[in-house]
Amino acid sequence: NAGVTQTPKFRVLKTGQSMTLLCAQDMNHEYMYWYRQDPGMGLRLIHYSVGEGTTAKGEVPDGYNVSRLKKQNFLLGLESAAPSQTSVYFCASSYPSSGGPTGTGELFFGEGSRLTVL
Amino acid sequence: QQQVKQSPQSLIVQKGGISIINCAYENTAFDYFPWYQQFPGKGPALLIAIRPDVSEKKEGRFTISFNKSAKQFSLHIMDSQPGDSATYFCAASSDTNAGKSTFGDGTTLTVKP
Repeated sequence: NAGVTQTPKFRVLKTGQSMTLLCAQDMNHEYMYWYRQDPGMGLRLIHYSVGEGTTAKGEVPDGYNVSRLKKQNFLLGLESAAPSQTSVYFCASSYPSSGGPTGTGELFFGEGSRLTVL
Repeated sequence: QQQVKQSPQSLIVQKGGISIINCAYENTAFDYFPWYQQFPGKGPALLIAIRPDVSEKKEGRFTISFNKSAKQFSLHIMDSQPGDSATYFCAASSDTNAGKSTFGDGTTLTVKP
């Protein structure tokens, strides 16, 4: 049972380059999220999805785009990377709080993707 | 506007001591309050969570205390162990908001042997 898998785990980009982070979950979760983690700033929500084919903006969406063509996958794209996007990116998934087997909104996280933009 | 404020930023405790981390929230619509534990190089993982219909929840050495009127909740780690050394995040979310979680800034706990 893999849970939430993120690829790649590490990436170095030059300013202006583009890239895509892939998140895959095998728990049949409806909800998926992309967070970024910066020192002393906790986790900030970039974009999220409540189901296949739907996406929405989170707290810090500028400079990022997402797509959810399949229920199990959630892609995060950087069209023109900037040094301010140097961060650790975490994907997470969950059931709807009232609809899942646990009756909670527990988030299941991947192990993170460390991105450095030079 | 930071909706969840967490303190302290870092905490050093001796083995066997009690670790206490506090969080305060602003949005009264929040109805799920989890604590996540994160080890270096790993993603956060749920440690314990509470809903506002109870004032305390205990799981082993970990206890959440919840004060709805003060809009505060705290994590207590009893008999702290070196293996508890990690970063702890409080969070808050609402069933009516797609389960989006707002996180505190995190507390780095070091338990000295």
